Amino acid sequence: EVQLVESGGGLVQPGGSLRLSCVASGFSVSNNYMSWVRQSPGKGLEWLSIIFSGGNIYYSDSAKGRFTTSRDNSKNTLYLQMNSLRAEDTALYYCARGSDSSGFLVLWGQGTLVTVSS
Amino acid sequence: TVLTQFPATLSLSPGERATLSCRASESVTTYLAWYQQKPGQAPRLLISDASNRATGIPARFSGSGSGTDFTLTISSLEPEDFAVYYCQQRSDWPPPWTFGQGTKVEIK
Repeated sequence: EVQLVESGGGLVQPGGSLRLSCVASGFSVSNNYMSWVRQSPGKGLEWLSIIFSGGNIYYSDSAKGRFTTSRDNSKNTLYLQMNSLRAEDTALYYCARGSDSSGFLVLWGQGTLVTVSS
Repeated sequence: TVLTQFPATLSLSPGERATLSCRASESVTTYLAWYQQKPGQAPRLLISDASNRATGIPARFSGSGSGTDFTLTISSLEPEDFAVYYCQQRSDWPPPWTFGQGTKVEIK
């Protein structure tokens, strides 16, 4: 079955770090472009980052400098390392795969919830 | 590129036509998509490249536009269509790419 499963979310104190994982099944993360998108409670979608098949990585302004996207091809897993977390980073974090034809996000995980609070 | 969606909320009855708009702060040519999100679910791709329905999307959903002005039309609302809809551009190079703030289609 083609799917994405995120994990690693939880409660973290302000200033803390967390690493999210996204395990892919049925396709290779190395051959597709993969993105992270988040959604704060009751709010809209926010695009965070993308890693292309060639390895280039780009970030939104809100993610740049604090968040790092990477992948482990041997584990077929995408990661989001988040440092210096703030209350405003509280959100449901989704990983998603881009479509081969259009490039838009055609496959999404169920999300993992990150709560930043003391 | 900033995407502005309007209206924020659309109150309609089943069977009615829904027209949702997305305006870009600069041209995104046709590099624009629409997603549907229902409560407790991940978003689902409806339309890519402004007007191409994604696999399995019913024909009542259609997209149009180019440049800075785009429209998602639902020709006759079904009960399952009441949800939040987002537009997204992938025109900027290099990224970041952006989403609009969403339009909620609610039952009147």
